[in-house]
Amino acid sequence: NAGVMQNPRHLVRRRGQEARLRCSPMKGHSHVYWYRQLPEEGLKFMVYLQKENIIDESGMPKERFSAEFPKEGPSILRIQQVVRGDSAAYFCASSPGQENIQYFGAGTRLSVL
Amino acid sequence: SQQGEEDPQALSIQEGENATMNCSYKTSINNLQWYRQNSGRGLVHLILIRSNEREKHSGRLRVTLDTSKKSSSLLITASRAADTASYFCATDDRASGTYKYIFGTGTRLKVLA
Repeated sequence: NAGVMQNPRHLVRRRGQEARLRCSPMKGHSHVYWYRQLPEEGLKFMVYLQKENIIDESGMPKERFSAEFPKEGPSILRIQQVVRGDSAAYFCASSPGQENIQYFGAGTRLSVL
Repeated sequence: SQQGEEDPQALSIQEGENATMNCSYKTSINNLQWYRQNSGRGLVHLILIRSNEREKHSGRLRVTLDTSKKSSSLLITASRAADTASYFCATDDRASGTYKYIFGTGTRLKVLA
């Protein structure tokens, strides 16, 4: 049973470009969470999704950021018109249910030039 | 301050010694989890303790939870160089009802050989 898979592991974008981060949850997991981590800091919750539904997006910036978890395929975190402040590690976690342990992927490190 | 504050921020000990890290939180919780993160890597789940539990053990790890003080501690006994990592506590936000986890800023543990 493969773990949570995130790709790419590293992503470099220039200011104004779009960044698309993918997360494939563990088999059988229908709950996906996205977190952002700045250097030397803890993880900050961004968004919680179940298949085809956004449950809680209270941690998402109002503009430029969006997330989806379609019926088929991975969850996608999309950042439009990236700025230098978007540079961070983005982690995805999945769980089989709300109260269960969240299993984390290795993260995508986004660098905005 | 935010939910899930750990202290100390950094801890340096000799191999074989015990390491104790503390976490404080603000709101009511269903459970509290501890995670480890090696530099540049994803998070690894260590232990989950539910709000009706006071103590839990897993190998060299001992976690306590005091809901009256809204605090938890993680004890690593007989530490090894391989325990060098950042340790985070994460609490579910019971009031929000969505089970998103709030992470603290972490304790950076360094075990010297």
